[in-house]
Amino acid sequence: QSVLTQPPSASGTPGQRVTISCSGSRSNIGNNYVNWYQQLPGTAPTLLIYRNNQRPSGVPDRFSGSKSGTSASLAISGLRSEDEAGYYCAAWDDSLSATVFGGGTKLTVL
Amino acid sequence: QVQLVQSGAEVKKPGASVKVSCKASGYTFTSYDFNWVRQATGQGLEWMGWMNPDSGSTGYAQKFQGRVTMTRDTSINTAYMELNSLRSEDTAVYYCARFYGDYDAVDFWGQGTLVTVSS
Repeated sequence: QSVLTQPPSASGTPGQRVTISCSGSRSNIGNNYVNWYQQLPGTAPTLLIYRNNQRPSGVPDRFSGSKSGTSASLAISGLRSEDEAGYYCAAWDDSLSATVFGGGTKLTVL
Repeated sequence: QVQLVQSGAEVKKPGASVKVSCKASGYTFTSYDFNWVRQATGQGLEWMGWMNPDSGSTGYAQKFQGRVTMTRDTSINTAYMELNSLRSEDTAVYYCARFYGDYDAVDFWGQGTLVTVSS
């Protein structure tokens, strides 16, 4: 049971826009930044979004993040086949003094 | 360029210990904390703890306290994670990762080390 809640799966067709939600509480998302990671099959995760809505250099602007209250979301526009991957949200939790992850969302591009 | 290169796969028996290494290059080793994260096959990411390579300070997830130790050797720019009293549920890929303070996020990950616990 993950501290942050994500849907286990999401899907879309090429060119579509999809969003992935991440729900938490005041002690984590409510009080701290949310980061998003992409994990392609068989590889280590990579940073996709940091500080709620910032993209590291090299990440396409098709990827965007937002946060409101105790929830966050990742949006992917102009969906491409190479976006098929696992997506994880993460945040620091003040009560646990730990980084907590969502359970991950497997995105399928139909 | 930043690189984190981890040690190779390990097979251990229940009750044994494992020590995974993570050699950093491409930046000043003592400037950024390390995080360790693990992932069982087909499962999600699980945070284990952090280590400041400059001071050696650590912080562990409650689940692993008493069983995990994170250390470093600054002379060879290498961080270590040792997990004791292994059980089958510890079978997973273990990742080291650099925590970049300017981002408040882990920005680089090692390639992962598979640890298999089996009798």
